[in-house]
Amino acid sequence: GEDVEQSLFLSVREGDSSVINCTYTDSSSTYLYWYKQEPGAGLQLLTYIFSNMDMKQDQRLTVLLNKKDKHLSLRIADTQTGDSAIYFCAEIFSGTYKYIFGTGTRLKVLA
Amino acid sequence: GAVVSQHPSWVICKSGTSVKIECRSLDFQATTMFWYRQFPKQSLMLMATSNEGSKATYEQGVEKDKFLINHASLTLSTLTVTSAHPEDSSFYICSARGGLAGRYEQYFGPGTRLTVT
Repeated sequence: GEDVEQSLFLSVREGDSSVINCTYTDSSSTYLYWYKQEPGAGLQLLTYIFSNMDMKQDQRLTVLLNKKDKHLSLRIADTQTGDSAIYFCAEIFSGTYKYIFGTGTRLKVLA
Repeated sequence: GAVVSQHPSWVICKSGTSVKIECRSLDFQATTMFWYRQFPKQSLMLMATSNEGSKATYEQGVEKDKFLINHASLTLSTLTVTSAHPEDSSFYICSARGGLAGRYEQYFGPGTRLTVT
């Protein structure tokens, strides 16, 4: 099937690290993305990783990719209250170039 | 660069009426635009893909006669929800592909919240 799975909720304390996990479906996906959605708003691209990479770091964000297990994770260091949002992973289906979004993880940061 | 706008940002309409949502790429030419629907606390579901000057390709289960998509220019696509019903109430998001991003990246609009009463 085309289900991209994420855990539904994550709650962390301000200053701690957050790790959001994603299991995708298409082993031939070329790019994998992380998007952030704040309440009532559209999607903000946070970062992406090319399929031939294992890790990508961008300031407070670290993306890890395990192609063998089709597992993608997003680590947010020093999580702030402004990071509270829903986070979606997305993969591009090879051939069609269509995005398939994950189920979304709602991150709540406690002060 | 790579800004996509949507208009309106929210709309309330009566059951049985039609409503049009516009999606514009402001600073690049969008060869392909996508329309998504997002129900509360759910993920984005792709409704259709439209290429400029050709008919849209609808995903399975999406009624093409109900959700009319027009991609008449490289910067504008419209989604018309015809004979809207309360179950059509949702958050509609468009995205556009083109410009420097190539085929692998889409730029998303801010979304349009439709409420059908």
